[in-house]
Amino acid sequence: ETGVTQSPTHLIKTRGQQVTLRCSSQSGHNTVSWYQQALGQGPQFIFQYYREEENGRGNFPPRFSGLQFPNYSSELNVNALELDDSALYLCASSSRDLAKNIQYFGAGTRLSVL
Amino acid sequence: QQQVKQSPQSLIVQKGGISIINCAYENTAFDYFPWYQQFPGKGPALLIAIRPDVSEKKEGRFTISFNKSAKQFSLHIMDSQPGDSATYFCAASGNNQGGKLIFGQGTELSVKP
Repeated sequence: ETGVTQSPTHLIKTRGQQVTLRCSSQSGHNTVSWYQQALGQGPQFIFQYYREEENGRGNFPPRFSGLQFPNYSSELNVNALELDDSALYLCASSSRDLAKNIQYFGAGTRLSVL
Repeated sequence: QQQVKQSPQSLIVQKGGISIINCAYENTAFDYFPWYQQFPGKGPALLIAIRPDVSEKKEGRFTISFNKSAKQFSLHIMDSQPGDSATYFCAASGNNQGGKLIFGQGTELSVKP
């Protein structure tokens, strides 16, 4: 177990709705990265948060947004859900002050958009 | 633009055999190359990683071979076991990537008893 926890485990939404996913980082880690993993694909980087600010973003539209809190936990918000948003959303925590590349993943949130 | 290419897409190996998965990258600024193992319904778990200052790293039955000039790296699983059956992802990252990992497409490994 990595110590990275995500909630909820599964979620079903309809097109056009909004969703919030949550992540608690591993103890001692100050950086959270979010990834989207479509079925049968490798994870795709969405964005990263460090010290409560967005620090790098992948090729995702603005309706994907996030937050990081003082305790380093994080939220991923997706507005105006589309069918293609159905995927496993993964959170990874790391320590930017140590080995920033080394990322530990949670079990993910499976989002289904109907 | 796919910056990390992984092959094969799927692999079947007999118990006790050697599993080999290959990855190629394009960005010469990459300086960190991890391999992740993912079981169904789980998140990716860090298996082993290498930096370009060494050509090989071994941890138990798992070995990464790294060829900087060819921009390729591979995972070797010795004495493969049915419990190794999972999807394996290579990834790459660099200082100019802000710490983000760029993943390959994955290899589904099945080890037959």
